[in-house]
Amino acid sequence: SQTIHQWPATLVQPVGSPLSLECTVEGTSNPNLYWYRQAAGRGLQLLFYSVGIGQISSEVPQNLSASRPQDRQFILSSKKLLLSDSGFYLCAYPQGAGNTIYFGEGSWLTVV
Amino acid sequence: GQSLEQPSEVTAVEGAIVQINCTYQTSGFYGLSWYQQHDGGAPTFLSYNALDGLEETGRFSSFLSRSDSYGYLLLQELQMKDSASYFCAAASGSARQLTFGSGTQLTVLP
Repeated sequence: SQTIHQWPATLVQPVGSPLSLECTVEGTSNPNLYWYRQAAGRGLQLLFYSVGIGQISSEVPQNLSASRPQDRQFILSSKKLLLSDSGFYLCAYPQGAGNTIYFGEGSWLTVV
Repeated sequence: GQSLEQPSEVTAVEGAIVQINCTYQTSGFYGLSWYQQHDGGAPTFLSYNALDGLEETGRFSSFLSRSDSYGYLLLQELQMKDSASYFCAAASGSARQLTFGSGTQLTVLP
């Protein structure tokens, strides 16, 4: 069966510090992978998606970046965090027939 | 661009039926999905409609009308545990990425 994992689950980072969130998928090969962000009490915003190793598409210009160094690994990074980067970050992948995606457990980021 | 509209809040009592509507404007539309999210948790998939009509999964049903760019999620026999946020989402684009509505907060009262 397919599973998705994200870490860390929670983190508190000072403004200006770097960020690295990691996502891995098991039980599938070369999946499309997505990073979403959810601000408190808000909807989900697509940040990046990847259709394969080294292939990254950005939906929203910002100080975040994404990389896909391996088939089943997707990393979200920042060199210098802003207060506005606080939120709930979710990695996702498609599963089964139809255009549905499944989310990892999410990573809560608080920038202070 | 893609946009989906849904009500921000809905309140109902236990045992009742509630319908959450969603209208969308997207290009390259593939289908409409519904997700449930409890406070502090990740969204979980509920239902997907690729074709017009009703899809039923237990107490939950979802409907799609492509000609009206409209869908809804129907929740029957409401339970307290159904209190959560519900999101509609539309798939489009080369990677069939999902665009989400802003979510509907459902409160179920005893």
